[in-house]
Amino acid sequence: DAKTTQPNSMESNEEEPVHLPCNHSTISGTDYIHWYRQLPSQGPEYVIHGLTSNVNNRMASLAIAEDRKSSTLILHRATLRDAAVYYCILRSIGGSNYKLTFGKGTLLTVNP
Amino acid sequence: GAVVSQHPSWVICKSGTSVKIECRSLDFQATTMFWYRQFPKQSLMLMATSNEGSKATYEQGVEKDKFLINHASLTLSTLTVTSAHPEDSSFYICSASGQGGTTQYFGPGTRLLVL
Repeated sequence: DAKTTQPNSMESNEEEPVHLPCNHSTISGTDYIHWYRQLPSQGPEYVIHGLTSNVNNRMASLAIAEDRKSSTLILHRATLRDAAVYYCILRSIGGSNYKLTFGKGTLLTVNP
Repeated sequence: GAVVSQHPSWVICKSGTSVKIECRSLDFQATTMFWYRQFPKQSLMLMATSNEGSKATYEQGVEKDKFLINHASLTLSTLTVTSAHPEDSSFYICSASGQGGTTQYFGPGTRLLVL
């Protein structure tokens, strides 16, 4: 799987928007961009995924660069419950299984 | 929807004993299940992938005779840590995806402590 690069940590204030960047310069045409997050002592939680177009759901928005070499996860209004490690993962649509390779992710701290 | 449960949530055992962890998909049929391990302050490491009715595929460096995986039904997979040792103490997490699913849904994890 192609590699992603994320900042080790970011900090935000409650009720402000948060933009979490991810670089994936070696992404291939068949790679989906997935975001998961992991709250302390819990299993990861699916957040959002996309291929080429920007995506929105109830949790977040995903903005994908035109060349697909980077993407940004947007939390529109951070809450204390959004404090977690956020993982940006590329997953190819090829193959018979859908293996995810987790990097170190970005630790998001939300200040009250 | 898409809920995955794990049992037990935590377990303490003596060195040399075996421990079984269950992973269930509660509201969907999981054709593929994954088992991960996470050590403190580290990321998740995939241990193995299992498809219902087939033998599991283990990642490089994971001992298949030590970590036995059974995926006998579309809603249940089990991981048995055989002859556990203190270095096997970790957070074990399963995930599941349905037929043609692009998303993995994760269980809450099982914390294993081997004394």
